[in-house]
Parts: sequence; structure tokens; C-alpha cells
Amino acid sequence: NAGVTQTPKFRILKIGQSMTLQCTQDMNHNYMYWYRQDPGMGLKLIYYSVGAGITDKGEVPNGYNVSRSTTEDFPLRLELAAPSQTSVYFCASAMNTEAFFGQGTRLTVV
Amino acid sequence: RKEVEQDPGPFNVPEGATVAFNCTYSNSASQSFFWYRQDCRKEPKLLMSVYSSGNEDGRFTAQLNRASQYISLLIRDSKLSDSATYLCVVNMHSSNTGKLIFGQGTTLQVKP
Repeated sequence: NAGVTQTPKFRILKIGQSMTLQCTQDMNHNYMYWYRQDPGMGLKLIYYSVGAGITDKGEVPNGYNVSRSTTEDFPLRLELAAPSQTSVYFCASAMNTEAFFGQGTRLTVV
Repeated sequence: RKEVEQDPGPFNVPEGATVAFNCTYSNSASQSFFWYRQDCRKEPKLLMSVYSSGNEDGRFTAQLNRASQYISLLIRDSKLSDSATYLCVVNMHSSNTGKLIFGQGTTLQVKP
């Protein structure tokens, strides 16, 4: 029972580089989310998806892109990494009420 | 105004104390409300959903006041293991699960 799996767990990027954070869930959940959490702060919604082929912006979408080609996968793309994107990124999925989270990706942009 | 607001604390309480956290939300059309718990450097996990009639789970009681757009969490007989950050979460859509917005979180430290 894997639940929500995020990769990588840690990553250091140089300014201007690009990368994709992977997120996969095996619970057949319709809803998926990407959040970022800065130190001492709550989670900010970046993008979310209510089903395959549908994505919507959250609170802080600038600098990110997502796609949802399958129910299972919801990758988050950073095209031109900036120091302001240094954060912990959490992916989550939900069916009805409870959202299940991955273990997070700690990203540092230098 | 932020969509979901919490007092960040920290709340420092002795074991056995009763502590209450508050949360306000801006969208009166919001339908679903939750409290999540987050331990240091870990992912958030659902503590309890918040129902209109209020609900209780052991030492934890959650209440919703739709008129004031206010949610609360009461913890009785605090344990050391209750030390964590408590996150208020609001579903901003009319559907059961949609745009889930988190508050800043309230940090609780229970001391012996």
C-alpha cells in the first residue's frame, strides 16, 4: 500500500535550471494537489486537479506548470528555478474528504 | 484578507491543560472543514473533519460556526505527544473535495 509517492526526496538546483517533481498515487483518487511549505509557514496551494485532463491554479502558481494525463500521475514542473522556489513541496490526493500526502520533496535553489 | 487564518502561536502548555485553537475563513460558500496535524518535517495527516453539529473524538472536539465563519479545535488533558502543528483546512468549493486551502498552522508545545 504505497499511497502517494513523491520523487525525489531532496534536490539542489542551480538558478535557471529546470526540473520535474514526480507524484504518483495508487488509490484511484480523482483529486490531486501540489503544495509548497516555507519554513514556519502553512501549506500554499500551487496547482490542483479534479481528474485526468483537468488542472486549476491554486494560490501560488507562478513559476510552475502541471499536467494530469492519467489518474495516477501529477507531475510538477519548474522551468526556470529561482531562489524563491526553495521550499518543501508536498503532493496529495483525495477522493472524498481525507487528503493523503506524500513525504515531501525538499528543494533548494542556489 | 487571507482565505484561511489561524493564530500561529506558539502555544506552550503544561501536560493536562486544555487548549483551544481558532480558525477563520473568508468564503461563506465553503462546505467542508478539517483539522490536520503536522509533526516536524513530516507530511500533514488528517486529525478530524469538522461537522456543522460539532464532533468529538476522544480528547479532541471540533466545532463550526458558519454565521461567524469560524472553526475551532479543543484539546483536553494535553499529552506530550500532542506537541505538533495543527492546520486548519477549508474546502473552497461547493463539492465535497476541491480546492483545499490551508491555514498557517498553530504550533502547540506541551511541556511536562
